[in-house]
Amino acid sequence: DTAVSQTPKYLVTQMGNDKSIKCEQNLGHDTMYWYKQDSKKFLKIMFSYNNKELIINETVPNRFSPKSPDKAHLNLHINSLELGDSAVYFCASSQDRQPNEKLFFGSGTQLSVL
Amino acid sequence: QQPVQSPQAVILREGEDAVINCSSSKALYSVHWYRQKHGEAPVFLMILLKGGEQKGHEKISASFNEKKQQSSLYLTASQLSYSGTYFCGTESLLGGANNLFFGTGTRLTVIP
Repeated sequence: DTAVSQTPKYLVTQMGNDKSIKCEQNLGHDTMYWYKQDSKKFLKIMFSYNNKELIINETVPNRFSPKSPDKAHLNLHINSLELGDSAVYFCASSQDRQPNEKLFFGSGTQLSVL
Repeated sequence: QQPVQSPQAVILREGEDAVINCSSSKALYSVHWYRQKHGEAPVFLMILLKGGEQKGHEKISASFNEKKQQSSLYLTASQLSYSGTYFCGTESLLGGANNLFFGTGTRLTVIP
């Protein structure tokens, strides 16, 4: 069983489209995250949710909207996609919101905007 | 808030040792280390919580100097399986949550 699973693994789309990436974790964790990894391999946190509640929202355009229907799921919806959104998006989870909790990452979604 | 890692890349022969450094301009609460193999997700290696703490994971260990706001990852007797990009992550308390800022990454290549 995959602990943190994301779908789709690859996403190729045109500029201006709207797309969603889904994430599910079966670890029973309370906290989930979205990270963006650009072409230079920089890993940057985008959002953090704890028990369906938004905790962290780093400087991310409001075209990105996370949604957490329950604590095991954190989906990412992106409106009006731009070329600069092309990156690998990783979902992650941790036991709770306390510091020093290790992160479990999903396998990533490679988004290519043409 | 992003920590800086050095070197950016290193090539080793099997059996050689390497050190990867991570430094921050801000006071560090803790330091995480992760390894990412090409095309895969980052995988947790270890967390260091206290200044001066040193931890080990097989032949990979790390130290954390809280005063210098630095951490170092030590890889001894490197194996081919050690190849990958190593990231340090430093924590700040934002809203009480685990807000991990990752470093710039160090690409390690181990050759036979």
